[in-house]
Amino acid sequence: GAVVSQHPSRVICKSGTSVKIECRSLDFQATTMFWYRQFPKQSLMLMATSNEGSKATYEQGVEKDKFLINHASLTLSTLTVTSAHPEDSSFYICSGLFGGNYGYTFGSGTRLTVV
Amino acid sequence: QQQVKQSPQSLIVQKGGISIINCAYENTAFDYFPWYQQFPGKGPALLIAIRPDVSEKKEGRFTISFNKSAKQFSLHIMDSQPGDSATYFCAATLSGNTPLVFGKGTRLSVIA
Repeated sequence: GAVVSQHPSRVICKSGTSVKIECRSLDFQATTMFWYRQFPKQSLMLMATSNEGSKATYEQGVEKDKFLINHASLTLSTLTVTSAHPEDSSFYICSGLFGGNYGYTFGSGTRLTVV
Repeated sequence: QQQVKQSPQSLIVQKGGISIINCAYENTAFDYFPWYQQFPGKGPALLIAIRPDVSEKKEGRFTISFNKSAKQFSLHIMDSQPGDSATYFCAATLSGNTPLVFGKGTRLSVIA
């Protein structure tokens, strides 16, 4: 089946530094990747949609200069949290589309803790 | 505005019992309704999904019931087991390549 490999699973960084999260589609080409954020005991909230080779579309309220998304290839999408602050601490999850339609495949998530 | 409303927020079921989680949606243009299971610290995993042209779908112990006129759908877990203890999310989407909209989740605890 389709697999999205997400790394790292956990990361702790100091306030003011940047962190990169990678999502790789291992056995399919993900032309579209969705990025979600999930706070403790809450639902998944869509942050942005990225399509290979084009700029990401961000949801209202999500700072595009803070959450940099790169989708330069069909198998790799990255989310960089720049100048991270404690309020950015959250669980970040990517989801790639397998097979074009309805094939939503989720990564295993990244727990970001900013100290 | 929450597009998919999920209830209950939490649920405790005896082992062997039936767990029922409900969702209601507002947008009649939604055409795909999946249910996801999530364990702590993990990404959501697809359990079962349904399209609006079907009223019921069953896969093993999991069944989706879909009521298009009422704009509601539900997940039934038969013979619930302690290993089913997790958070369950319903979701919906407009088409196969648009983002999923998630309900707020139901924390299920199956006790022996």
